[in-house]
Amino acid sequence: GAVVSQHPSWVICKSGTSVKIECRSLDFQATTMFWYRQFPKQSLMLMATSNEGSKATYEQGVEKDKFLINHASLTLSTLTVTSAHPEDSSFYICSVSGRAGYNEQFFGPGTRLTVL
Amino acid sequence: KQEVTQIPAALSVPEGENLVLNCSFTDSAIYNLQWFRQDPGKGLTSLLLIQSSQREQTSGRLNASLDKSSGRSTLYIAASQPGDSATYLCAVGVGAGTALIFGKGTTLSVSS
Repeated sequence: GAVVSQHPSWVICKSGTSVKIECRSLDFQATTMFWYRQFPKQSLMLMATSNEGSKATYEQGVEKDKFLINHASLTLSTLTVTSAHPEDSSFYICSVSGRAGYNEQFFGPGTRLTVL
Repeated sequence: KQEVTQIPAALSVPEGENLVLNCSFTDSAIYNLQWFRQDPGKGLTSLLLIQSSQREQTSGRLNASLDKSSGRSTLYIAASQPGDSATYLCAVGVGAGTALIFGKGTTLSVSS
């Protein structure tokens, strides 16, 4: 399966600052990556679909101006949380879809964001 | 709107027991279904993937079944071990290249 990395694995920041999270597909060229968010004791919720070379598609209720997604290459997608607030504290996980036609998803290790 | 439900939310069993985790989905028109394991504070590890045309998949002590018409899947874990303790997530895909829709998971605790 595809190997996916995320950086950083955890970050603590002050309210009002911006944080960038990287998602890399190490052995697979991913035209599409997905960004999910997981609050404590909750399941994963899709935030946006990241498409290489085009604008991301955001889910209803997710502010595109707050969560900036850039998918500049087939192996890298970045999520920038702008002007972070404590309510943005969460576990952010990206995934890539593996073999064509199977839609088997492979996930990164996640990034724990804590906003003080 | 597709919704995924997992029952039970938590389960505690002694080592060696066989167990079944349940997953149900509201719309039977799925592309595939995937079971994951998540350890605390970690990402997701894919366990089994079942395509919509398949009835079951097996990997070691794990067996997942799929009944599309009734909107159900089960994950069977044989001879459970303390190392199996984790949260198990069920997720459905509705098409090729689409994101997954997740259930809230079942947190399993296996005591030695």
